[in-house]
Amino acid sequence: SQKIEQNSEALNIQEGKTATLTCNYTNYSPAYLQWYRQDPGRGPVFLLLIRENEKEKRKERLKVTFDTTLKQSLFHITASQPADSATYLCALEGGGFKTIFGAGTRLFVKA
Amino acid sequence: EPEVTQTPSHQVTQMGQEVILRCVPISNHLYFYWYRQILGQKVEFLVSFYNNEISEKSEIFDDQFSVERPDGSNFTLKIRSTKLEDSAMYFCASSGLAGAEETQYFGPGTRLLVL
Repeated sequence: SQKIEQNSEALNIQEGKTATLTCNYTNYSPAYLQWYRQDPGRGPVFLLLIRENEKEKRKERLKVTFDTTLKQSLFHITASQPADSATYLCALEGGGFKTIFGAGTRLFVKA
Repeated sequence: EPEVTQTPSHQVTQMGQEVILRCVPISNHLYFYWYRQILGQKVEFLVSFYNNEISEKSEIFDDQFSVERPDGSNFTLKIRSTKLEDSAMYFCASSGLAGAEETQYFGPGTRLLVL
């Protein structure tokens, strides 16, 4: 079955630095991959989608890369702010109408 | 901005009781989903629903679970006989276009506690 691995260790960075989060997956070749943000006690909020034929996607301070050979996606937040502190979830299409989420990486941005 | 709504926000029930969780998806969306998240764990797919039938379901979604779209706006998840391990946050989501490919909009969740 498909497996997604995200760094379970929390990431602590200083305000203004670039945060880089990693998502690795196995046993599957998804047509696309998504990143969501989740705040405590809230539902996930969609951030970016990247397709298998795209290497990189950007949206404001966010950048996602997708390496289908390495089976890895990197998620970058540049010029990070304390308001970026949250859990970031990687999700891949699991075939059909199914979406599989990773466990998420908690990001703390210190002022 | 349109949003997915869910009721109730919290539900406490006794083991063995039936619960119905309600969701109002975004009005022009065609695909509907339920997920659950046990405290401290990952978001888990339960079921997807399109054209008034289940499109996909996970191994979690056994015979104790059912979904329904009783009218043009509501989407419900029923758990027939709740177990302690059903305690979790349940999220409804909807999307506009083909399958899980399109952005899914999540509701705020219903926190279910089974005693």
